[in-house]
Amino acid sequence: DTEVTQTPKHLVMGMTNKKSLKCEQHMGHRAMYWYKQKAKKPPELMFVYSYEKLSINESVPSRFSPECPNSSLLNLHLHALQPEDSALYLCASSLLILETQYFGPGTRLLVL
Amino acid sequence: AQSVTQPDIHITVSEGASLELRCNYSYGATPYLFWYVQSPGQGLQLLLKYFSGDTLVQGIKGFEAEFKRSQSSFNLRKPSVHWSDAAEYFCAVGARGGGADGLTFGKGTHLIIQP
Repeated sequence: DTEVTQTPKHLVMGMTNKKSLKCEQHMGHRAMYWYKQKAKKPPELMFVYSYEKLSINESVPSRFSPECPNSSLLNLHLHALQPEDSALYLCASSLLILETQYFGPGTRLLVL
Repeated sequence: AQSVTQPDIHITVSEGASLELRCNYSYGATPYLFWYVQSPGQGLQLLLKYFSGDTLVQGIKGFEAEFKRSQSSFNLRKPSVHWSDAAEYFCAVGARGGGADGLTFGKGTHLIIQP
């Protein structure tokens, strides 16, 4: 089983809202990732967790806040987003850092 | 820092014809290399990967890729494409750097299949 699940599939939010994206895997993977993908662009790495420890991508604004409650779950908390943050947000996991990453279907986010 | 170049933004191939998608990488050591495919509005599906060993790797859906260190290339091939292969293809390198460990993707190649 190489399934990574993400909820919700679609999300529309205003610039003053607070929302969260959820990612889950039950493959025993110890590394989990958030990527942002704009239309017709490649995914860009946002955050990496390895053994529940965060590696921060320095170019990510603080309005994005990741959380890893346990080795199976990864959340991305969103607050005061801008319209340019509208994108497909992809979660991935791998057994260890630099191992093969398996991607979820993504959450398509629209910020109004 | 590592980088990946996919020189072809779009490629059009007739159904049943052979396919080669180009990928060049830049990385100081032996990289971890991947090809992913993405259908519209979907996540990424792994086609194949190279970590070490045999430089010709087989993947799913009849795809293969060859790692050539001397050319810093990892081109994707398929002998006969099907209409269902129409999608976006991403080459990626996995490496450490920039304060975070993850994949660096090329810009992608959009594959169009004509009847």
